[in-house]
Amino acid sequence: DTAVSQTPKYLVTQMGNDKSIKCEQNLGHDTMYWYKQDSKKFLKIMFSYNNKELIINETVPNRFSPKSPDKAHLNLHINSLELGDSAVYFCASSHLLAGAAGELFFGEGSRLTVL
Amino acid sequence: QQQVKQSPQSLIVQKGGISIINCAYENTAFDYFPWYQQFPGKGPALLIAIRPDVSEKKEGRFTISFNKSAKQFSLHIMDSQPGDSATYFCAATSSGNTPLVFGKGTRLSVIA
Repeated sequence: DTAVSQTPKYLVTQMGNDKSIKCEQNLGHDTMYWYKQDSKKFLKIMFSYNNKELIINETVPNRFSPKSPDKAHLNLHINSLELGDSAVYFCASSHLLAGAAGELFFGEGSRLTVL
Repeated sequence: QQQVKQSPQSLIVQKGGISIINCAYENTAFDYFPWYQQFPGKGPALLIAIRPDVSEKKEGRFTISFNKSAKQFSLHIMDSQPGDSATYFCAATSSGNTPLVFGKGTRLSVIA
């Protein structure tokens, strides 16, 4: 059983398209995150949800919209894709906010390539 | 204030040697310092973590050394093995609604 699963694993699309990445966790955690990892491996938080409520929204373009239908799912929708959106997007979850020493569990990532 | 500076960017170590990765932070409110290990094609996974009330924590071949006054912490991998080849990230956070701040990563290659 995969603890944090993301789909799709790979996504290749044209500039201007809209795409979604889905994430599900079966760990019973109450907090979920989206991280972006660029080509230099730098990990940057984008969003965090706690019990379906948005609690962290870093400086991310409005084209990115997270949605959490329940606390086990956190999806990421991206409108009007740009070349610079090409990256690996990681979903993660934790039992508590990471600031409370909760361990982050990451999915395997979704590699987005925008042509 | 929110940055965690990590060095070196890449590291090549002989099998059996000691790998050392260093991190420095500025925010004195940080009170939790984990290290994550990432293999190619996988997500990062927690390796070991420390709180500032201790100066060292050891788990198997992995040791975190923490220097609160210098605001630095480091990861030591003893008897490094080829299977340790991965990217290592230090991170830091403080209690409350603050996300983990990651260093830029160190790509470790252990060669036989």
